[in-house]
This record gives sequence, C-alpha cells and structure tokens, in this order.
Amino acid sequence: DTAVSQTPKYLVTQMGNDKSIKCEQNLGHDTMYWYKQDSKKFLKIMFSYNNKELIINETVPNRFSPKSPDKAHLNLHINSLELGDSAVYFCASTQGNTIYFGEGSWLTVV
Amino acid sequence: EDQVTQSPEALRLQEGESSSLNCSYTVSGLRGLFWYRQDPGKGPEFLFTLYSAGEEKEKERLKATLTKKESFLHITAPKPEDSATYLCAVQAYNFNKFYFGSGTKLNVKP
Repeated sequence: DTAVSQTPKYLVTQMGNDKSIKCEQNLGHDTMYWYKQDSKKFLKIMFSYNNKELIINETVPNRFSPKSPDKAHLNLHINSLELGDSAVYFCASTQGNTIYFGEGSWLTVV
Repeated sequence: EDQVTQSPEALRLQEGESSSLNCSYTVSGLRGLFWYRQDPGKGPEFLFTLYSAGEEKEKERLKATLTKKESFLHITAPKPEDSATYLCAVQAYNFNKFYFGSGTKLNVKP
C-alpha cells in the first residue's frame, strides 16, 4: 500500500564504489523527485522528472545519474562514492502541488 | 534568491504548553506553502497547504496561518506524540520546484 517506496532503506558502502537506489510510486503521479537531506535536516532538491523527462537538474556532481524507465519509477545511480555523499536520500512524487515522500534511503560511505 | 527560514531550530515544551513555529519565506511568485511533519527515520508527512495570505488550516492540535511573508504553525496544548521535526516548504510558480526550510525540532515532555 506504500505510495512512494524506495530501496534499500539502509546502505553502507566503501568510498569509490558505485551504488543505486530505486524508487517506485503507485499514485499515478507524473512528476518524481530526488531530494538529499543532510545532517541538519535540510532537504535539497537534486532532480525532477516529469513523465520520464528530466525537468530539474540542480547543481549536483555528474557522479549522480537519475534514470526514469517509466513515469512510476525514478532510480538514482551514484558512481565513485565519496564520504560527503553520506546523507538520507528521499524519493518523492507530486501531481500539482503536494509532494509525497518515500521513507528515505540512509547512505553511509566509509 | 528564493529561500525558506524556520525558527526556532529546536523547541522544548511541557505537555499542554501552547506555542508557535515560524516559517519566513522569500519566493518570486508563491504558488503554495506547505507544512510537513517528519518523525525520526521516516519521510516527511504532509500536513497542510496554504495558498494565500489570510488563509488558515486546522488539524487536531495544529493550526497553520499564512501572511505575505511568513507562516505560523500554532500548536495548542501539545502532547508528547506531537514531538517531531516540522518542515515548511514553498512552491514557486515554476511549480515543479519546492524549497524547504531546515525544520523546527519539537520535543514535548509529559
């Protein structure tokens, strides 16, 4: 029944590795997002897709690459992980003006 | 530059002690202002949307109000289960962008 689901919830990995986080929404929304939440709880937008098309690409290192195979899925692939990538990554979706968030993926780079 | 500032950063209340959280914003063309609640280890959960100055919304012990420059989240007679981080966000007329504040961490002691 989860509206926006993302996996994995927890991910611990070494520097230099490549990892992916998957996201799926069953709300029928056209727009999906990736947000990064730092240790101070600040939520910052990374990417937004509308119906599989990239519409927002904030200043994010190009080691981060989103992929949307269809409008219900938005995955995030991260190459060459760095210590500073440790954060919580939230997937979200919206139709119009209310964002619905997933439960978050806790990424720790060691 | 569009931005959202929340205060205080943290608030400790006794059960039953009413108070208010503040969200001040600068955005070029406000489409909507949103309040979210975030529990530890969870994604933000939608509470309210406000669209125009003077608007108010209520839900149980929470009431959100909006002026042209800020919003308040009033908590009346809070209970320990109201303890959470409360996030404010604004949606600009480029309506795919939502700007979040860093939140107010509320702790209600019995």
